Amino acid sequence: KQEVTQIPAALSVPEGENLVLNCSFTDSAIYNLQWFRQDPGKGLTSLLLIQSSQREQTSGRLNASLDKSSGRSTLYIAASQPGDSATYLCAVSPHGSSNTGKLIFGQGTTLQVKP
Amino acid sequence: EAQVTQNPRYLITVTGKKLTVTCSQNMNHEYMSWYRQDPGLGLRQIYYSMNVEVTDKGDVPEGYKVSRKEKRNFPLILESPSPNQTSLYFCASSLSWSVSTYEQYFGPGTRLTVT
Repeated sequence: KQEVTQIPAALSVPEGENLVLNCSFTDSAIYNLQWFRQDPGKGLTSLLLIQSSQREQTSGRLNASLDKSSGRSTLYIAASQPGDSATYLCAVSPHGSSNTGKLIFGQGTTLQVKP
Repeated sequence: EAQVTQNPRYLITVTGKKLTVTCSQNMNHEYMSWYRQDPGLGLRQIYYSMNVEVTDKGDVPEGYKVSRKEKRNFPLILESPSPNQTSLYFCASSLSWSVSTYEQYFGPGTRLTVT
């Protein structure tokens, strides 16, 4: 059974710091991995999607990497800002899910960036 | 603006009183699904729909119904809500039923409380 874990559960950093959020999954048989941001009252916003054949994706100050063989992904945030404060979720699309579209989510890392 | 909308955003109701949470997307997406988010359990898929008139159960379908009469709408129906259905509900959509390739977009969420 696929399980997704995110460590740490919470993180507090000063503004301007570069940081890394971690995501691990137990079964490497995935189609893709997606990083989301969750803000209270605003739902989930898709940040980056990495296909299983890719190693990384970049969008602005965000860079996500994927090491499928080791079951790990990282989300790197450069020059963090208070507006980056949110809960970050990773989710995998496991093999066998192509006809359900089910995503398996981690519990999330709640990030606070202090001014 | 491309988006997934849900209504209502907040709802407090009583046990047994039928309710419907609407979900609509304006991106001409084929695939839609419903998740619920609970503390300690994360997000879990309730139902999904590959296309109009094609729906199927996710991991936690008990107590819920769905319908997909139009491509853009995917309402979630609780025929007889119970307190254990108190949760935060998210609707999601994706371009194609081949969701392993495309990213999924989520709505803002509906916070439901059943007393």
